[in-house]
Order: sequence, then structure tokens, then C-alpha cells
Amino acid sequence: SSELTQDPAVSVALGQTVRITCQGDSLRSYYASWYQQKPGQAPVLVIYGKNNRPSGIPDRFSGSSSGNTASLTITGAQAEDEADYYCNSRDSSGVVFGGGTKLTVL
Amino acid sequence: QVQLQQWGAGLLKPSETLSLTCAVYGGSFSGYYWSWIRQPPGKGLEWIGEINHSGSTNYNPSLKSRVTISVDTSKNQFSLKLSSVTAADTAVYYCASMGIAAAGTGGWFDPWGQGTLVTVSS
Repeated sequence: SSELTQDPAVSVALGQTVRITCQGDSLRSYYASWYQQKPGQAPVLVIYGKNNRPSGIPDRFSGSSSGNTASLTITGAQAEDEADYYCNSRDSSGVVFGGGTKLTVL
Repeated sequence: QVQLQQWGAGLLKPSETLSLTCAVYGGSFSGYYWSWIRQPPGKGLEWIGEINHSGSTNYNPSLKSRVTISVDTSKNQFSLKLSSVTAADTAVYYCASMGIAAAGTGGWFDPWGQGTLVTVSS
């Protein structure tokens, strides 16, 4: 099966913009979806499809894709955005997740 | 709005079989892939496998030899069995749904169950 690669950790100053990336061959054929996970909680979907947000997700979250790379952008990061972020997509075997990115808001 | 509620044994001994069930409330059972996903302590998410309402399954190749996912459409429930568990199977296990139509463009999991911590220890 294919893999999705994420940077293990990223930091951003409060109120600034941060981009979290996800790379993998399957992303040439499929969109990535993105999940936010805080300690002790189940993951929460924040971006799906081309660039769609579920109800209740702030519009500071956005998604984009180019070639084999998908990106999650948080414009004006808030303290409550500090969390682990995971990308996922389908591949030839079924479903694949990225390793996760720990976002620290400074 | 669809909600998922899961349950199952939380403490197992090595070589036993893990068994979890997830119930679907508030929505259609057809038109979705029903998945199991796990997360070892301090680690990332791993997809285990999926089933649709007609019972067609798809498993993670790395776990395929030990995994069985089944569905009970009369109860709107689906279940996971993982045989011959070891300490490496200690994880929080989640159930989640993905729309079949959405899967064609990559798909997404929403909603998720609350998670069940399964510990394998002698």
C-alpha cells in the first residue's frame, strides 16, 4: 500500500498562518481529508474533498492540493488549534493515514 | 445526524481474540463504508478495514490474516474481530463511516465513535 508523509511537528506564532503538508502518490488520484485530534479525544474532520469544511469548523481552516501534495492551512492560528493533525486518503489497498503533525501554537 | 456508539472488552490476554461492536444511530446504514481504525498509545492512526451494508469487506494488508469485520443490518451494527492479539495490538480502537460516493474522490471519515481502549497484557 502507498504511504502519506507528514512533518512530525510544526509550530506557529499566535495569529500567524501555518501550512501542514501531506505527501503521497495516492494524492495524485484522490483528495486528502484532514482531522484534528486533541489529547484524549477522537479525531474531528476539519477539511474534506477539494476544500470543504464541515459545519462548525472555523473558516480559518482551508485545504489545497497540487500534484502529490495536499496542504492544510490555518490562517490566523488560535491557541485552541494546538493539536495533532492527520491527513488521509484512499489508495489501491483501501485507506491510508499520514503519520500526523503535532502543531504547537506559540 | 448519524452517531456511532461502540463497545467491547477492554482487557485481553495475548493470543485472545479482540471483539468490538459499533452501532449506527440516526441515519441510513446503506451507502457507507463502515470502518475500524486504531491508534496505539502515543502513535498515529492506522486503518484496519471496512465493510459496506451488503457485507463486502476490504482489509489493511498488514492485518488481513487476523481481521474479520462483519455487519448486522437488522441492528444497524458492525463488528470487528482481531485474532491472536499481542501487546502490539494495544490501542484505542475507533469505528467511523465514509460515504461510498465520497470514497471515489478520496473520502473522509465522519462521524467517529468515541473510541475504546483495548489493552493486551498477560
